[in-house]
Amino acid sequence: GQQLNQSPQSMFIQEGEDVSMNCTSSSIFNTWLWYKQEPGEGPVLLIALYKAGELTSNGRLTAQFGITRKDSFLNISASIPSDVGIYFCAGQNYGGSQGNLIFGKGTKLSVKP
Amino acid sequence: NAGVTQTPKFRVLKTGQSMTLLCAQDMNHEYMYWYRQDPGMGLRLIHYSVGEGTTAKGEVPDGYNVSRLKKQNFLLGLESAAPSQTSVYFCASTTRQGAIYGYTFGSGTRLTVV
Repeated sequence: GQQLNQSPQSMFIQEGEDVSMNCTSSSIFNTWLWYKQEPGEGPVLLIALYKAGELTSNGRLTAQFGITRKDSFLNISASIPSDVGIYFCAGQNYGGSQGNLIFGKGTKLSVKP
Repeated sequence: NAGVTQTPKFRVLKTGQSMTLLCAQDMNHEYMYWYRQDPGMGLRLIHYSVGEGTTAKGEVPDGYNVSRLKKQNFLLGLESAAPSQTSVYFCASTTRQGAIYGYTFGSGTRLTVV
């Protein structure tokens, strides 16, 4: 089946640093989504991307839909302690399998004050 | 507006016991999903439903059963719990039209099987 490779698996950074993580797939997706999961909670949607090449920002977060439609990246600028959590990418081919999301395995972010 | 509510939040089972996890959504969503989350494995789809009275298998369905008797509820059952089913379980939902906008997740049920 379809798989997403998300990297890195974990990151330990200093407050104020920028963060970059990415997701790649062997399959083409029509939609890329980025979620954040805080400890003890379910994932919450951060950014959704719908067109190849699209660059979308949400505050300090910026995500891009790769031109090949097989990858996406998420950047966090000037990290703060509340950025701690697990970030998941997810791809979707709406119209097949009821548009079920395929999730990456997550990037665990730790921020040192 | 509660969104997606999962009960219970925590549970400890003995091997061989059975239990049902309840997911309830108040957003009139057609699609509902059950995932399990294990360290390093991400979110894996167990079963899903595209409407009342319909269910389908996901990536890791063995050992689980589901029912969607009412549109707002999606139940996940473990008939004979095994230690390998120790995990955090998440329910999610979305509308047919809004599926491309992602899912709304519950806050999870942490299950330990001893």
